[in-house]
Amino acid sequence: KAGVTQTPRYLIKTRGQQVTLSCSPISGHRSVSWYQQTPGQGLQFLFEYFSETQRNKGNFPGRFSGRQFSNSRSEMNVSTLELGDSALYLCASSSSGQTYEQYFGPGTRLTVT
Amino acid sequence: GDSVTQMEGPVTLSEEAFLTINCTYTATGYPSLFWYVQYPGEGLQLLLKATKADDKGSNKGFEATYRKETTSFHLEKGSVQVSDSAVYFCALGLSGGYNKLIFGAGTRLAVHP
Repeated sequence: KAGVTQTPRYLIKTRGQQVTLSCSPISGHRSVSWYQQTPGQGLQFLFEYFSETQRNKGNFPGRFSGRQFSNSRSEMNVSTLELGDSALYLCASSSSGQTYEQYFGPGTRLTVT
Repeated sequence: GDSVTQMEGPVTLSEEAFLTINCTYTATGYPSLFWYVQYPGEGLQLLLKATKADDKGSNKGFEATYRKETTSFHLEKGSVQVSDSAVYFCALGLSGGYNKLIFGAGTRLAVHP
């Protein structure tokens, strides 16, 4: 089975712009979670989608949003980018509705200048 | 609140040395516990897991036992290799937490020949 794929792998944006990141889960997986990884804050949970519904959300401002499509692919969007949004954004998929093992993609490295 | 505490790194070892990375957690209910590994430039890979007290997770020579009485999940390996050099993350998943993982800060391991 193909693993979790994320596009693009690298992105450079300017403050104030918006960005959309994409994640394709492992075939058959219905849950997609997003995490932000920074040197200062570590790995932080953004949100999780299951069957197109957001079931859980972390402590991030409303500028961070996401959605999931009927084929389980997911996108996250960050509007009005700030320098502090520079991070590695990781997507993870899981086959189950419960907290079992999650499979991570390689991430999208976002740099905001 | 729910949290994970890992020993600070970096941990530097010679090849074939014994490895222990300490992990303790605070959580309500009965969490599942995980160790993930991140190699340079890559996403996270699940290393091992334990879903209930006294479970032992093991993979690739690594082991960890879910100790509810000490709220710990320490990672051990009897003989490390240079290829084990990576960052190791301890994480917990809350029951009913809809695939939200709470991560420790990560411990960098460097193994020298």
